[in-house]
Formats: sequence, structure tokens, C-alpha cells
Amino acid sequence: AQSVAQPEDQVNVAEGNPLTVKCTYSVSGNPYLFWYVQYPNRGLQFLLKYITGDNLVKGSYGFEAEFNKSQTSFHLKKPSALVSDSALYFCAVRDRGGGSYIPTFGRGTSLIVHP
Amino acid sequence: NAGVMQNPRHLVRRRGQEARLRCSPMKGHSHVYWYRQLPEEGLKFMVYLQKENIIDESGMPKERFSAEFPKEGPSILRIQQVVRGDSAAYFCASSPGQSANTGELFFGEGSRLTVL
Repeated sequence: AQSVAQPEDQVNVAEGNPLTVKCTYSVSGNPYLFWYVQYPNRGLQFLLKYITGDNLVKGSYGFEAEFNKSQTSFHLKKPSALVSDSALYFCAVRDRGGGSYIPTFGRGTSLIVHP
Repeated sequence: NAGVMQNPRHLVRRRGQEARLRCSPMKGHSHVYWYRQLPEEGLKFMVYLQKENIIDESGMPKERFSAEFPKEGPSILRIQQVVRGDSAAYFCASSPGQSANTGELFFGEGSRLTVL
């Protein structure tokens, strides 16, 4: 079984400050990990993924995420937040060796960046 | 290169009617996934299909819901005898075949069903 937890329903940050959106996961084997962003009344857009290799993954719009195997975490970060980053962010996991191509999504975290 | 196309974007039905949601995957993609999004509940997996095959329908209610992905044409999610609780946004996503699949899904803009 695989699962994802996003412990914060909402994250508030001032524009220009660093932001972190938290994600922890559980899989039987090794994970594929993903972050997606959803703007109001739109579909999800892929931001970045971890498959293997460097624990720090860089993605679109200046976002990055750090894979931490011991803590089973994959937190999303950005050094300097923009008002336009305000959106709903989803973390997702897929068991790499499980044979299933179905990712499991977290409940989402609403990021609000204040001017 | 068109992305994942879903229609209709908005659909209003009265209780007891049928809803049909369509999804055309990205060109070259042979895997289709349907998810349902409710406020405060996140994205819930419903069904995973390849051309002419349902691979996993473990997230789909046994009653009233069905899905298909025919050899020709879009994938269809069908909800019969809709009830108010079916009101939600339904998202389709696609991915390439297994040999090209690095994991990420490509989502459509969603179909928002409102049941009166």
C-alpha cells in the first residue's frame, strides 16, 4: 500500500520570503515522488519529480524539493515566494517496484502568498 | 501538441439523469486515469485504463459508475442515475505506455458536474 500525508491544509507566507510545503509518504519499496500545482478551476500541472539520484530536485517556476529517505519526506521549497505562487499544491507517490502505474495523491495544501 | 482534452468542462444534471464525461489523452499516450476531486478531500483515484482494457477500477463505486477506453475515440466516464453526492470535479490524466513512463501524469482541465 502507498500513501501520502500533507500535514498542513494551508500555508501562509509573505512575498519574498522562503516557503516550504510539507509532504511525507509511505510505500512498500522505493518511491517515485511528485509535486503538482493546481490553480483555481484548472487541472493539475506537473512541477517536479524524484526518481533516483540527487536528493535535491529542481523543477518549474523556481521550485525545488528534497528527498529524505530516513524521514520519508519530500518537502517542496522555494527561496523567494511570489504572489502568483498562490495555489493548491499536491504531493504524490508511486511505488517504483510495485508494478502499479497509479500514483496516490495527498489532500493538497493551499499556499497563500501575501503581498 | 494538444494536451489532455476533457469535455464538457461544466455539466449540470438533475437527480436520476445520466452524466457522460469524455477524455482524449495526449497524442501518443495509451494510459488514462480518472480522478475525482471534492473540496477538503483532495484527489481520489477512480479507474485506470489502457486501450480496450480496464486495468484497475478499485476506486470506482460498484453501482452506477462505469468507464471505457475504446480502440477508437475518447475515454468515457459514465455515471448513471446521478445523485447530489456525485457533484464534483472529475479529472482525467494520461501517460505514455510502460516503456516510456517515468511516472508523471498529464492532466486535463477537468469536468465539473453539478447535480441539482
